[in-house]
Amino acid sequence: AQSVAQPEDQVNVAEGNPLTVKCTYSVSGNPYLFWYVQYPNRGLQFLLKYITGDNLVKGSYGFEAEFNKSQTSFHLKKPSALVSDSALYFCAAREAGTALIFGKGTTLSVSS
Amino acid sequence: DTEVTQTPKHLVMGMTNKKSLKCEQHMGHRAMYWYKQKAKKPPELMFVYSYEKLSINESVPSRFSPECPNSSLLNLHLHALQPEDSALYLCASSQAGQVNPYNEQFFGPGTRLTVL
Repeated sequence: AQSVAQPEDQVNVAEGNPLTVKCTYSVSGNPYLFWYVQYPNRGLQFLLKYITGDNLVKGSYGFEAEFNKSQTSFHLKKPSALVSDSALYFCAAREAGTALIFGKGTTLSVSS
Repeated sequence: DTEVTQTPKHLVMGMTNKKSLKCEQHMGHRAMYWYKQKAKKPPELMFVYSYEKLSINESVPSRFSPECPNSSLLNLHLHALQPEDSALYLCASSQAGQVNPYNEQFFGPGTRLTVL
């Protein structure tokens, strides 16, 4: 069965510093991987996805993610964090014929 | 138009009431979804419509009844709910039907439901 793990409940980073939100996945076929962000009392917003090709995926708001097949990871990164990046981040995976599976979420807190 | 809209934003209902949640998208997407989300938790899939046909029902209790009148609209009819059904209900849509796993889903802002 497919699964997505986000090992950190919370990540704290100072504004201007680089940030990483970790995600590992387990799927039996080719993985399709996604990152979503949720601000308080809002729906989820799509950030980026990996389908195939280049292992470094660039997305919205300066975020990027690195796909690592050998480590089955898809970590979300940003070179310089902003206070406005503070939100709940979900990693999700899907394979053909299945529904989207979400990780438990990681709360990112960026301090000024 | 790259938006999914949901009405109402907030809903308070008693356990004997009947109410409906509405979702609309005008992106030409052919898959639409209902999710339930508790605070600080990931969304839980409830239903998927693909080309206006119900393709997934994740063993949701019959007090939740989905309807897809056309390719742009999705409703969720609520009847005899329980207090534990209080949650944020999210609608989402994606291109070209649910069978394409690489299409991202676009989410609406949700309806905050409280069952008294």
